[in-house]
Amino acid sequence: QVQLVESGGGLVQPGRSLRLSCAASGFTFSSYAMHWVRRGPGKGLEWVGFISSDGTNTEYADSMQGRFIIARDSSTNTVFLQMSGLRPEDTAVYHCARAPNTVEAPDVWGKGTTVTVSS
Amino acid sequence: QSALTQPPSASGTPGQRVTISCSGSSSNIENSYVYWYQQLPGAAPKLLMYLNSQRPSGVPDRFSGSKSSTSASLAISGLRSEDEADYYCAAWDDSLSGWVFGGGTKLTVL
Repeated sequence: QVQLVESGGGLVQPGRSLRLSCAASGFTFSSYAMHWVRRGPGKGLEWVGFISSDGTNTEYADSMQGRFIIARDSSTNTVFLQMSGLRPEDTAVYHCARAPNTVEAPDVWGKGTTVTVSS
Repeated sequence: QSALTQPPSASGTPGQRVTISCSGSSSNIENSYVYWYQQLPGAAPKLLMYLNSQRPSGVPDRFSGSKSSTSASLAISGLRSEDEADYYCAAWDDSLSGWVFGGGTKLTVL
């Protein structure tokens, strides 16, 4: 079955970096765009960004631009979210999700990994 | 503040019909398809509706979606206790060049 499993979350100090991973299985990874979406405590869903199926195109939410980088590795069916300059407001559950292409919203999501930014 | 506006809460009794609204603008809903997600506590969001009114396989026909101009809505008929969850709308925003979500609506089944 289609499965997305995030990992790499944890407690990190403000200003530090963290890399999240999302392992995909049960579908043809190279045929899907991949998104990251987060949900802060007491908040709603917030789109972080996506990477196209071939990895040549990325888009980010304005508040993440320049601090977050999404990459993918088709040899391991893994998508990554490299986060730098972390701020307390980046505290959230981070979900990865697949989408049929870059113009459609995600159709399958992972359960997420928790990132806490605090000193 | 979310680009798409949803009521923070909604409620109904079992068997009732409930509608959740999602208000946007010409840069998102009016010129984009709307998607709806259901998120149960501690679970991954689940796609409920795509391309405004299409149900993915496995989603009961109790759920329906519609769109008109800059607004969209999700209707749930024959409300059941297992429908108690958070519901989010989403759309592409041309001005932001990104996906935007509503703030979410917490549905309570009384």
